[in-house]
This record gives sequence, structure tokens and C-alpha cells, in this order.
Amino acid sequence: DAGITQSPRHKVTETGTPVTLRCHQTENHRYMYWYRQDPGHGLRLIHYSYGVKDTDKGEVSDGYSVSRSKTEDFLLTLESATSSQTSVYFCAIKANADTGELFFGEGSRLTVL
Amino acid sequence: KQEVTQIPAALSVPEGENLVLNCSFTDSAIYNLQWFRQDPGKGLTSLLLIQSSQREQTSGRLNASLDKSSGRSTLYIAASQPGDSATYLCAVNTGNQFYFGTGTSLTVIP
Repeated sequence: DAGITQSPRHKVTETGTPVTLRCHQTENHRYMYWYRQDPGHGLRLIHYSYGVKDTDKGEVSDGYSVSRSKTEDFLLTLESATSSQTSVYFCAIKANADTGELFFGEGSRLTVL
Repeated sequence: KQEVTQIPAALSVPEGENLVLNCSFTDSAIYNLQWFRQDPGKGLTSLLLIQSSQREQTSGRLNASLDKSSGRSTLYIAASQPGDSATYLCAVNTGNQFYFGTGTSLTVIP
């Protein structure tokens, strides 16, 4: 357990509204990731961060932005939510140890109506 | 781009059977490979991590092997139990990124 907390865990919103998901970690890991999980597609990387203010895009980054102003928090923002962004969003961290093991949060289920 | 495939997509076995789940990847330049378990509506729980220099890892009834040159990994579950029912995913680490298979949904019938 890497002390990862995601909030909110569930959210229902309407098309066109902004949404921010938060990932909080307690163990000072450098790498943090945002994935979405959809049936038939598995887990797909949206964005990741390798340090404060250091982020990079993943394979499905369109329509999403991220920010990391503190080591412990990684925010995912949908500027204008669309129905195609209905999904389960997972935050993950890569442990700082040499193993590079990946740990996940419990997920945030987002429904865009 | 790394492609990760898991076969079969679903598997149903009677309790007590030994079983093997498969994971294949297209690019052998990996740092490690990790197996996860996911229960419905939950996050992913790490089961086993194999570094690229290792051939296998064991934890209890689970044994994971890695053949990097052929791009394959297997997860062996001994003496399966109904509590093993879940989706099992593998992920390969190529450095800063991880690539996931779509998982094998396992049902163990009492």
C-alpha cells in the first residue's frame, strides 16, 4: 500500500462542465500516473508526472490536463466534460525504490450525462 | 509501441485446479513485468513483480515466470480457490511508462 487516495470516488456531471479529480499520496514518490479504464480497452495512460511541475502526455491525453504543484498531489482536469469521458479513472504511483513497482488508488468513477 | 496481450480473456475452472494465465508483449526492452489482481469495482492490487534480470517470482500459491527474449510471462496459480476469482492483469514497464494487457477474467467454481 503506497498511501494513495483518490477523490471524489464517484461523480456524476453534465456535458460541458469542468471536472477535477485529485490524487493524493503520502510517501513522496516522484512518479504519478493517471489512467482510464474502459471495457475492451483496458488501462490507458492519460498523463503522468515525474516531479513537481513536470508532466507528460500519455496515449489518450486529448481533452485532459494535469497539474502537480506539490509532490503529494496530482490533479486531473477535464476542462469541458464529454460523454466519451465517462470512465473509471485510476491514479498510480511508481515506488521510488529500485523495484519500480506500480501501486494504484481505488479509482474514481465518472459519469458524464 | 509496446503491445501487451493476455490470453484467454476469460477462464472458468473448478476449485482445486492448477491454472496458467498468459501474458505476451511485443518489445523485449522492458525493465520489469508486474501482475495485478482486480476485483469488481476495485483498484488494482499488485501480486508479483519480476525484474527483467529475473526468471521467476513466487508468492504463496502464485508463481510468475518471465521469458524476456520470447516476450512472454505466465502466472501460475496452484490449487485454485473461489476467492481467486477476479481479473488478472499484467503490465510491462519500459522505463517511465507501463503498458497493460486487457486482463483475464478468472472464475473458480466451488
